[in-house]
Amino acid sequence: AQSVSQHNHHVILSEAASLELGCNYSYGGTVNLFWYVQYPGQHLQLLLKYFSGDPLVKGIKGFEAEFIKSKFSFNLRKPSVQWSDTAEYFCAVNSYNTDKLIFGTGTRLQVFP
Amino acid sequence: EAGVTQFPSHSVIEKGQTVTLRCDPISGHDNLYWYRRVMGKEIKFLLHFVKESKQDESGMPNNRFLAERTGGTYSTLKVQPAELEDSGVYFCASSQPGQGGYGYTFGSGTRLTVV
Repeated sequence: AQSVSQHNHHVILSEAASLELGCNYSYGGTVNLFWYVQYPGQHLQLLLKYFSGDPLVKGIKGFEAEFIKSKFSFNLRKPSVQWSDTAEYFCAVNSYNTDKLIFGTGTRLQVFP
Repeated sequence: EAGVTQFPSHSVIEKGQTVTLRCDPISGHDNLYWYRRVMGKEIKFLLHFVKESKQDESGMPNNRFLAERTGGTYSTLKVQPAELEDSGVYFCASSQPGQGGYGYTFGSGTRLTVV
């Protein structure tokens, strides 16, 4: 069965620090990969997605993620976080022929000024 | 464009009672999905409607859960009778025809607490 692992459950950073959140998935076929973010009190929003092509994907708010097929990974990065990035981040995957998303357990990011 | 709307935003009920959650998708979105997040766990798929038909209900936990989508518009998710383990946040999402594999628009969720 497909699964997604997010290794960091809670990350605390100061503003301007760099961020990398890990995501690994288990599925041998073609997949689509996503990062969603949920800001406090808001709905889940799509941060970025990878379907094919350039494995380095740019998303909103300065986030990017790199798909490394050999490592089954899709880590999220941001060079310099801001207080407004405080949120919960979810990695998700779906296989090529289905709409169903498989989510990781989420990473809660707290950024202090 | 209006987003995906869910209500209520919060519901607290006693074990054994019935609760009905509602989701209004974005207009024109044939695909409608229900997901659930139990405290501290991953967000899990419950089911997928295409218009009024259930395309995939493999994630429904048991027969205490009943989902409907009247006329292919809004959807309801009824839990009857509710148990303590049903507590969590229930998310609804929608997407355009043929676009489900490319990401959805989520609602804000309904936080259900069974006491």
